[in-house]
Amino acid sequence: AQRVTQPEKLLSVFKGAPVELKCNYSYSGSPELFWYVQYSRQRLQLLLRHISRESIKGFTADLNKGETSFHLKKPFAQEEDSAMYYCALRTGTASKLTFGTGTRLQVTL
Amino acid sequence: DGGITQSPKYLFRKEGQNVTLSCEQNLNHDAMYWYRQDPGQGLRLIYYSQIVNDFQKGDIAEGYSVSREKKESFPLTVTSAQKNPTAFYLCASSIQGAGAFFGQGTRLTVV
Repeated sequence: AQRVTQPEKLLSVFKGAPVELKCNYSYSGSPELFWYVQYSRQRLQLLLRHISRESIKGFTADLNKGETSFHLKKPFAQEEDSAMYYCALRTGTASKLTFGTGTRLQVTL
Repeated sequence: DGGITQSPKYLFRKEGQNVTLSCEQNLNHDAMYWYRQDPGQGLRLIYYSQIVNDFQKGDIAEGYSVSREKKESFPLTVTSAQKNPTAFYLCASSIQGAGAFFGQGTRLTVV
């Protein structure tokens, strides 16, 4: 069975500090991994996906198949990064999209 | 203007009644999903559909039913068998290889 684990419910950092939101997954096949973000009073939106290897709003994430992880990182946190972040896993053939429980990132001055 | 639309935004239901939540998309996406979002539990998958006239149970399907008669529409019925229906419900759609697009959600309250 596929599962996504986000161990931290809340991560509080100071503005300008590095950020790392942890995500681990369990799936025996070839996974598709995503990060989604939900800002206050806005709909859930895609932040980035491992296939594209892109950097969005300064965030990056590398898929580590050996450690089954897809941690989200940003070198310098900004106030506007404060939001709820969800890691998600999609299985290739079944299209089942499974989410973690989310981590609330709080960036303070 | 392409997108995914959920209606209504707020819904109240009396105990013992069935209620149907609407989800429509004009993105020409094949796959559609229903999730339930509760504080501290993230998004839990209720049902998903890859193509018209086909759908699969997610992780918490008990007490819910869906249909997929048209590509654009994936309505969710919350039945009286659902023991704790008060929640925020999210619908999403996607195509293979891309991320999912989400609706604004429907907040269901049982009164």
